[in-house]
Amino acid sequence: DTAVSQTPKYLVTQMGNDKSIKCEQNLGHDTMYWYKQDSKKFLKIMFSYNNKELIINETVPNRFSPKSPDKAHLNLHINSLELGDSAVYFCASSLAYPGSTDTQYFGPGTRLTVL
Amino acid sequence: RKEVEQDPGPFNVPEGATVAFNCTYSNSASQSFFWYRQDCRKEPKLLMSVYSSGNEDGRFTAQLNRASQYISLLIRDSKLSDSATYLCVVNKAGNNRKLIWGLGTSLAVNP
Repeated sequence: DTAVSQTPKYLVTQMGNDKSIKCEQNLGHDTMYWYKQDSKKFLKIMFSYNNKELIINETVPNRFSPKSPDKAHLNLHINSLELGDSAVYFCASSLAYPGSTDTQYFGPGTRLTVL
Repeated sequence: RKEVEQDPGPFNVPEGATVAFNCTYSNSASQSFFWYRQDCRKEPKLLMSVYSSGNEDGRFTAQLNRASQYISLLIRDSKLSDSATYLCVVNKAGNNRKLIWGLGTSLAVNP
């Protein structure tokens, strides 16, 4: 029974295209996240939502737009894809606020390659 | 100084060895500390939280040194399956609460 799921798992696309990644969690958690892990393996927070409210919005190009239709779902839409967007994007969730002692549970990741 | 700093390794050790990793953090107000494990091409998973008094989970021991602002992870009797990247994670206190992730330390346990 998957706790945090993401689709698609792999995404290969051309520069300039627009794409979306979907994330769902069935843990009943209040907080969800998007992370980017680049080729140097650095895991960087991009966004976080708590009960559908945006609470973390890091310095990310505005081509990236998260949407949380309900607290179990957090999607990421990327406009005008660039080569530098190639990375693994992880969705995660936790019971309470970021920075708490709660465990973050990660989805399997979406490997995005921009050609 | 980076907010969370780790030696990237790689650490190559034989099976059965004891290996220790350190991680330093810059924010003295940080209160929550964790070790996550990430296998190659997989998602990070919590290995253990780090408590003030230190804690142990089987072959794994985590310690916190607030005075010197570092946490450590000790793995005893290394197994091949311990090969992974170990990520140090520290909370950023204050209004902008979030977790700060280290780059990770790569461990390869060899037969």
